[in-house]
Amino acid sequence: GNSVTQMEGPVTLSEEAFLTINCTYTATGYPSLFWYVQYPGEGLQLLLKATKADDKGSNKGFEATYRKETTSFHLEKGSVQVSDSAVYFCALREIGNQFYFGTGTSLTVIP
Amino acid sequence: GAVVSQHPSWVICKSGTSVKIECRSLDFQATTMFWYRQFPKQSLMLMATSNEGSKATYEQGVEKDKFLINHASLTLSTLTVTSAHPEDSSFYICSARAFGEGTSSGANVLTFGAGSRLTVL
Repeated sequence: GNSVTQMEGPVTLSEEAFLTINCTYTATGYPSLFWYVQYPGEGLQLLLKATKADDKGSNKGFEATYRKETTSFHLEKGSVQVSDSAVYFCALREIGNQFYFGTGTSLTVIP
Repeated sequence: GAVVSQHPSWVICKSGTSVKIECRSLDFQATTMFWYRQFPKQSLMLMATSNEGSKATYEQGVEKDKFLINHASLTLSTLTVTSAHPEDSSFYICSARAFGEGTSSGANVLTFGAGSRLTVL
């Protein structure tokens, strides 16, 4: 079946530190992969996506590469800011099917 | 961009009472809305898919008589937790897919509400 495994948090980083949030998946077909972000008090927002192997999604300085060989979609950012403090969800979706989410990783960036 | 409003954001109720959570698409029509539930330290789990004008489709293990879903219009879906018990305490979040968005693309995205935290005493 389909599933998403995401590194547990919480993660606390100093401003300008490098961020990696690991995400691996299990899928029966060829899913699209997503990272969603939830800022305090707000709904989940799409951060970035990749629809096929070797695609790189990027947005707001965040990047994630669809690695089929390692079934991974790790989220990275070279220099985090306080405003990046949020909960990050990795997700997959196969065509016509539902989304499968990871457990979410809480990130706190301290000045 | 598309906005989904979910209300209430927090609700505390006594055991045995019913609680209604509303999910509204504010600036688009949503033919399909999804209801998720998240227990602490667990994944967001899909509970049901609601389509405007028809019965909701529930995921395996979700009691349809306990979690009543109504999608009476293209902008509103409601989830009613009937006879709530402490084990129903959870974070409920809805999402919507806009009218016209097909299911053929893996890039299909959803717009999520901010979620509703239910605590049953």
